[in-house]
Amino acid sequence: GNSVTQMEGPVTLSEEAFLTINCTYTATGYPSLFWYVQYPGEGLQLLLKATKADDKGSNKGFEATYRKETTSFHLEKGSVQVSDSAVYFCALSVGTGNQFYFGTGTSLTVIP
Amino acid sequence: ETGVTQSPTHLIKTRGQQVTLRCSSQSGHNTVSWYQQALGQGPQFIFQYYREEENGRGNFPPRFSGLQFPNYSSELNVNALELDDSALYLCASSLGDNSGNTIYFGEGSWLTVV
Repeated sequence: GNSVTQMEGPVTLSEEAFLTINCTYTATGYPSLFWYVQYPGEGLQLLLKATKADDKGSNKGFEATYRKETTSFHLEKGSVQVSDSAVYFCALSVGTGNQFYFGTGTSLTVIP
Repeated sequence: ETGVTQSPTHLIKTRGQQVTLRCSSQSGHNTVSWYQQALGQGPQFIFQYYREEENGRGNFPPRFSGLQFPNYSSELNVNALELDDSALYLCASSLGDNSGNTIYFGEGSWLTVV
């Protein structure tokens, strides 16, 4: 089947620290991979995506590389800010119909 | 702002009742999907509508049903509400139903069943 497993939280970091949130997937096809972010009191927003192996998605200083050999799509940022505090969801889309499968989310809190 | 709007934002229903949630898709988007997000969990796919036809369904019982209208707006209906239906219901729209298309979410409708 199709599923996403992501690092459990909550994660607490100091400002300017390095962030990694791990995400691995299983898919019955060739998926597209996404990271969505949910800021407090807001809806889910696309952070970045990658649609084929070795593609790197990037946005707002965040990056993730589609690794087919390890079935992973880990999210990284070199220097987090307080404003990055949010819940991060890894997701995949595969097959017809564009159905998305989400991980359980990782809560990140960045302290000054 | 994604341009996807949902109503109502919050509602409380009694077990056994029925509820209708509404969604207006982003301008130009012809595909709408609905997700259920329980507290502390990721969104779970309910179903998707493309050009007014249901073209994908997740593991939800038939009492979850929907519609898409000619202007691509959509409704989610849930009959015979159960306590476990309490969740955030998210609508998402996209242009086309191809795998890899980004979906854009509304802010959701919080449903509490008592």
